[in-house]
Amino acid sequence: GAVVSQHPSWVICKSGTSVKIECRSLDFQATTMFWYRQFPKQSLMLMATSNEGSKATYEQGVEKDKFLINHASLTLSTLTVTSAHPEDSSFYICSARHSNQPQHFGDGTRLSIL
Amino acid sequence: AQKVTQAQTEISVVEKEDVTLDCVYETRDTTYYLFWYKQPPSGELVFLIRRNSFDEQNEISGRYSWNFQKSTSSFNFTITASQVVDSAVYFCALSEGINAGNMLTFGGGTRLMVKP
Repeated sequence: GAVVSQHPSWVICKSGTSVKIECRSLDFQATTMFWYRQFPKQSLMLMATSNEGSKATYEQGVEKDKFLINHASLTLSTLTVTSAHPEDSSFYICSARHSNQPQHFGDGTRLSIL
Repeated sequence: AQKVTQAQTEISVVEKEDVTLDCVYETRDTTYYLFWYKQPPSGELVFLIRRNSFDEQNEISGRYSWNFQKSTSSFNFTITASQVVDSAVYFCALSEGINAGNMLTFGGGTRLMVKP
């Protein structure tokens, strides 16, 4: 089946650091990738949608200058949390789809900012 | 706008009991997809089922069954003879449109605890 790899799975870093999370589709071409965020004991909330070669579309309330998304190839999208602060600590999950196929999720990245 | 409501935030049962997780959705589209995912403590999302709006047939997969009722906009999930390994957070989700891969709106999740 379709596999999406997300890396790293866990990050702990100091406040003010920028953190990059990678999302790769291993066995299919991901024309669209989604980035979700999940705070403890809460649901998943869509942050942004990115189509390969285009600028990402951000959901209301998500700062595009803080959460930089790059989807430069059909198998890789990256989310960079710039100048991360403790309130950015969360579980970030990506998903990828090919054309009109269902999304496949990565295993998530647990981000802890000290 | 689309919305998914899972009214039960936490359910606790004893092993071998049957349990039903409720999901109610709102959408203006006539074409949409409904999903259930399981999220164990390790955090990854495990896909359980996808249903399109034109298929109201109930589905059974082992101990899992799903009841889709458009009349009440509900897509409930039942686990029969629950096991400790079923302990997890379960999410119901909705995507609108003919494309099964459109953005997902998740319900708030139901934390299921199965005690031995």
